[in-house]
Amino acid sequence: DAKTTQPNSMESNEEEPVHLPCNHSTISGTDYIHWYRQLPSQGPEYVIHGLTSNVNNRMASLAIAEDRKSSTLILHRATLRDAAVYYCILRATHGVGGGSQGNLIFGKGTKLSVKP
Amino acid sequence: KAGVTQTPRYLIKTRGQQVTLSCSPISGHRSVSWYQQTPGQGLQFLFEYFSETQRNKGNFPGRFSGRQFSNSRSEMNVSTLELGDSALYLCASSQQGAFRTDTQYFGPGTRLTVL
Repeated sequence: DAKTTQPNSMESNEEEPVHLPCNHSTISGTDYIHWYRQLPSQGPEYVIHGLTSNVNNRMASLAIAEDRKSSTLILHRATLRDAAVYYCILRATHGVGGGSQGNLIFGKGTKLSVKP
Repeated sequence: KAGVTQTPRYLIKTRGQQVTLSCSPISGHRSVSWYQQTPGQGLQFLFEYFSETQRNKGNFPGRFSGRQFSNSRSEMNVSTLELGDSALYLCASSQQGAFRTDTQYFGPGTRLTVL
């Protein structure tokens, strides 16, 4: 499985934008880039995903480099509720005959702290 | 729509016992995946069920097993519990399962403590 690299931790001030980077230099042409986050004492929750173009939704924006070897999750105005571990995950097509290619392979993620 | 529910939320067992955890997916979702989360290993994929069939399996010993019922509800079983099985067990449901754009919705997890 293609791997991702994220900083262990980041800090942000409340109501300021946050840019969470992710490197995925071995990404294949058909891998989608997904972001999930896990708030304290909760299960992970979906944030956003994309393939090549930048994506926006009500939670965040995803900026994908032209060569697709890196991406950045952007929280436009961080709130205290955004303090969580953010995971950048590559998803491949379901493997022929089974295997774990299509399932979520979590790395260590980035722990985001938000200061009031 | 109700979210993914898991029961029980907390469980304490002793070494050598077995345990069964339950997961009810979001209505209409046919895929259920199970994950184990520990401080040392992070989130690790256990297995995935789709339409009552195990479709994918992670790298866990045979003591970990699961099944899915016709209503998509799923159970996972751990036999002969070891101290290292203490973890948060998370269930996630999705419509199709392992496809590139499918979104997985996670439950709150079951916290298992093995003494």
